[in-house]
Amino acid sequence: EIVLTQSPGTLSLSPGERATLSCRASQSVSNNHLAWYQQKPGQAPRLLIYGASSRATGIPDRFSGSGSGTDFTLTISRLEPEDFAVYFCQQYGSSPRTFGQGTKVEIK
Amino acid sequence: QVQLVQSGAEVKKPEASVKVSCKASRFTFTGYYIHWVRQAPGQGPEWMGWINPDSGDTDYAQKFQGRVTMTRDTSINTAYMELSSLNSDDTAVYFCARGSLVGGSTSAFDVWGQGTMVTVSS
Repeated sequence: EIVLTQSPGTLSLSPGERATLSCRASQSVSNNHLAWYQQKPGQAPRLLIYGASSRATGIPDRFSGSGSGTDFTLTISRLEPEDFAVYFCQQYGSSPRTFGQGTKVEIK
Repeated sequence: QVQLVQSGAEVKKPEASVKVSCKASRFTFTGYYIHWVRQAPGQGPEWMGWINPDSGDTDYAQKFQGRVTMTRDTSINTAYMELSSLNSDDTAVYFCARGSLVGGSTSAFDVWGQGTMVTVSS
């Protein structure tokens, strides 16, 4: 099973700042099948990025994903008020699909 | 719009079973894998398994083998997840989510149900 470790656990930033979130896999993610999701309280996760770097439909271009192999990054170029949430990475290249424990982006 | 709508919250006693439904609309139900994911309070999501609504084939995470059963009713575009022998550790929100096209390559989960809270308490 691939274990995904996200860092930091919490990121305290102000609107307009840049957010950089990390996701490290315990072994290489097959074909870079790595996704990022945003989750707000009481809601289901929302797909942001798939294939490590492709934006899902309707996702603003301030969200970008990068990385390969075992190290992946989600960058939010300029935080908007609606971006303060929890972010999870997920690998879907091998079974069992696994998720990271999440990074909370909070308002400083 | 494309959506998955789940059944309502459940409260169960230890050792009981729970069955959660997930109704698909505005897409071809038999054309996509349906996955089940749960999320305990304050925790990251945990994948439980998938069902191929076309064939009924399933694949369960090893952790849930023997306790989970995923089924579907294609006449009403609905998938089900039943979890038995419940204990307090099973208290969580359970989500269904749309995966890849049947016959296609693996994909992320692009459509999610709203979640069903299952509380296990004596």
